[in-house]
Amino acid sequence: QVQLQESGPGLVKPSETLSLTCTVSGYSISSGYYWGWIRQSPGKGLEWIGTIYHSGSTYYNPSLKSRVTISVDTSKNLFSLKLSSVTAADTAVYYCAREPRVVVVPAVLTWFDPWGQGTLVTVSS
Amino acid sequence: DIQMTQSPSSLSASVGDRVTITCRASQSISSYLNWYQQKPGKAPKLLIYGASSFQIGVPSRFSGGGSGTDFTLTISSLQPEDFATYYCQQNYTFGQGTKLEIK
Repeated sequence: QVQLQESGPGLVKPSETLSLTCTVSGYSISSGYYWGWIRQSPGKGLEWIGTIYHSGSTYYNPSLKSRVTISVDTSKNLFSLKLSSVTAADTAVYYCAREPRVVVVPAVLTWFDPWGQGTLVTVSS
Repeated sequence: DIQMTQSPSSLSASVGDRVTITCRASQSISSYLNWYQQKPGKAPKLLIYGASSFQIGVPSRFSGGGSGTDFTLTISSLQPEDFATYYCQQNYTFGQGTKLEIK
């Protein structure tokens, strides 16, 4: 059974960099699949942040691209998120998830399953 | 960018009711549409992918339909544990959610 667990500081100061790690158990990241980060601001909807393939290829939300870096460490079976220059607007619950894909040229069907439990990150001085 | 619009934004219903939630895409997305259920304080849970394919373990009272621009999630007979917020998703865009509350 695949399980994901987010970890990292729950409080980040404005202008600093948010750093989170998602540790995967029950499945080897190097075996395949894409892996994503999604966030949810308090009382709001879901926003995709970015995705990484086990090879290291990345895809980012254009609205966050200039501030986001996602990396993978297959030796530790985890992937990580860095979001720079944070503001109060980045306060959210951050989720990591496995991202299966089905390619039906020219389109791709992708979904998120399973998800980690989520971690609340508050941006405040 | 493709926009996803859910309706209604909120819905009150009773145990045993049949409920349908709609998700509309701003342009055709074939059958590339997924549905999630989220309960307070919990991560979203995948219910349906590819518009109508069930995730393993999802009760049969849930069903998904549609293609092109209009999609539905139907719960045939509401159970107490179904009261939650439901989201549709296409590629990397989520709908705004539909909160299903007890009447």
